[in-house]
Amino acid sequence: GAVVSQHPSWVICKSGTSVKIECRSLDFQATTMFWYRQFPKQSLMLMATSNEGSKATYEQGVEKDKFLINHASLTLSTLTVTSAHPEDSSFYICSAGNEGLAGEGQYFGPGTRLTVT
Amino acid sequence: KQEVTQIPAALSVPEGENLVLNCSFTDSAIYNLQWFRQDPGKGLTSLLLIQSSQREQTSGRLNASLDKSSGRSTLYIAASQPGDSATYLCAVKDSWGKLQFGAGTQVVVTP
Repeated sequence: GAVVSQHPSWVICKSGTSVKIECRSLDFQATTMFWYRQFPKQSLMLMATSNEGSKATYEQGVEKDKFLINHASLTLSTLTVTSAHPEDSSFYICSAGNEGLAGEGQYFGPGTRLTVT
Repeated sequence: KQEVTQIPAALSVPEGENLVLNCSFTDSAIYNLQWFRQDPGKGLTSLLLIQSSQREQTSGRLNASLDKSSGRSTLYIAASQPGDSATYLCAVKDSWGKLQFGAGTQVVVTP
């Protein structure tokens, strides 16, 4: 149980275009979803927290107009990287949590590798 | 601000040896602590979760301890195997529900 999927698993786009990444909780309802980015050889950095039906809360230094997050349902959150630039190339990982799940751990998706050329 | 440190950054051991991975955190007001495994280019796999009221958790060859007052957790992996080669991350959950990650320990188990 507690499976989280991401789509796509990798994407290459041209500078200036927008890219949407989907995060789905497959067998539970996620009241909260988190988006992280990870640079090579570094740990995960939290970008934003999203709760179903409300606006996302962004971490300091993360541009909310550049990284658009939508959490329209209890099983789906999307991250849109708008006007992508090469410096946005990174590994993006989502996680989902539910207060009702045993242990209240977070369950992570497999990640999306974004390369901006 | 919570800071999570993992030592060592990298570790190489021969197959069969026990692994000891350390994690320390600066703010003891945590909700829980999780250990994860990450293979290259992949997402995270949760290994063990320890609630703030617990002292340890065990799963198979894995055992994790938590000393909240001193801000430390240790992950023990018994009788290591080449398949244990990966990066191991610890993360603490604060009262806001956010996870703060350490930088990880990269483990290589040689046959």
